[in-house]
Amino acid sequence: DQQVKQNSPSLSVQEGRISILNCDYTNSMFDYFLWYKKYPAEGPTFLISISSIKDKNEDGRFTVFLNKSAKHLSLHIVPSQPGDSAVYFCAASGGNQFYFGTGTSLTVIP
Amino acid sequence: DGGITQSPKYLFRKEGQNVTLSCEQNLNHDAMYWYRQDPGQGLRLIYYSQIVNDFQKGDIAEGYSVSREKKESFPLTVTSAQKNPTAFYLCASSPWWGDYGYTFGSGTRLTVV
Repeated sequence: DQQVKQNSPSLSVQEGRISILNCDYTNSMFDYFLWYKKYPAEGPTFLISISSIKDKNEDGRFTVFLNKSAKHLSLHIVPSQPGDSAVYFCAASGGNQFYFGTGTSLTVIP
Repeated sequence: DGGITQSPKYLFRKEGQNVTLSCEQNLNHDAMYWYRQDPGQGLRLIYYSQIVNDFQKGDIAEGYSVSREKKESFPLTVTSAQKNPTAFYLCASSPWWGDYGYTFGSGTRLTVV
């Protein structure tokens, strides 16, 4: 059973606009969440994280929002750049192991 | 440069054969992990090792085996008992078990022919 879900397999956005990637989880015990970015033929690389004591975390153009009551998190990229085109995975943990979503492929159109 | 090396990048195996995927890290990390990725699914944990000479089953360990004789190395053997071995395999490490700073390798794509 998939505990972390990314319901949009793909997303296309114009350069300069906002990209919003969504992630839902089912386990209310999850207390730490991460986003990874993956380019073709490379392993995922860490992008940004948030713990359950916060509802927002920013790092430059990247902001992650956490809505614990809805068991939902989102990654906002503003402004989007062509180099952001990649697959984005969200992951969640309750302390034991990480559970990964299926990924969303983002294409930023120049 | 520190990192994780997975080899080979692409691997073909005949049905009924065992095959071993290599994972080496020079980050001095204690914990290492093996994940499997299938189309339409998230990464699923096969095995993990918190420290040398110790390893534990993940969610989908059946048909796989691992060893952790050295801190730097965590090879994964896909045995003939694994019913659907064709997949993309990712190795990862973190400074210690429970640390969230995963570093991933670039993966091995295994195809059974």
